[in-house]
Amino acid sequence: DAKTTQPNSMESNEEEPVHLPCNHSTISGTDYIHWYRQLPSQGPEYVIHGLTSNVNNRMASLAIAEDRKSSTLILHRATLRDAAVYYCILDNNAGNMLTFGGGTRLMVKP
Amino acid sequence: GAVVSQHPSWVICKSGTSVKIECRSLDFQATTMFWYRQFPKQSLMLMATSNEGSKATYEQGVEKDKFLINHASLTLSTLTVTSAHPEDSSFYICSARDFKSPQETQYFGPGTRLLVL
Repeated sequence: DAKTTQPNSMESNEEEPVHLPCNHSTISGTDYIHWYRQLPSQGPEYVIHGLTSNVNNRMASLAIAEDRKSSTLILHRATLRDAAVYYCILDNNAGNMLTFGGGTRLMVKP
Repeated sequence: GAVVSQHPSWVICKSGTSVKIECRSLDFQATTMFWYRQFPKQSLMLMATSNEGSKATYEQGVEKDKFLINHASLTLSTLTVTSAHPEDSSFYICSARDFKSPQETQYFGPGTRLLVL
């Protein structure tokens, strides 16, 4: 499986935008870029996913580099409830399991 | 969005007893469900892939006789931790994909916290 690399932790101030980076230099042409987040003591929650083009939804935006070797999850206005571990995962959408890396622990300061 | 439930949400048991955890897809059918385990401060580790109507596929290092998986219907998979020991204490999470659209996202249950005394 192609691997992803994320910073261990990041801090943000409440109400400010957050940019969470992810490197995936060995991504294959069929891999989708998925982002999940896990709040304390809960199962992971889907955030967003994309293939080549940037994506927006009500939770976040996903910016994908032109060469697809990196991507950035953007939370436009961080709230205290966004404090979680964010996982960037590559998925070939063949119905297989997801492989979780270490993720980025986002801390949001009031 | 699609919902996956787990029961129980937490369980405390004595060493040597068996514990069964249920994973249900509430509004979609899942031919495949996945079981993960997560220790404190660590990421999720896949334990096994549960296939409806057939044997589960276990990851390397996971004892199939200790972690029994049954996927009897398109909406239910169970994980039984047999003869549980304190080192089995962990957060167990299941996930599922809608078999009608496997290309879509994977849905996770809320997790079951197991504490073995």
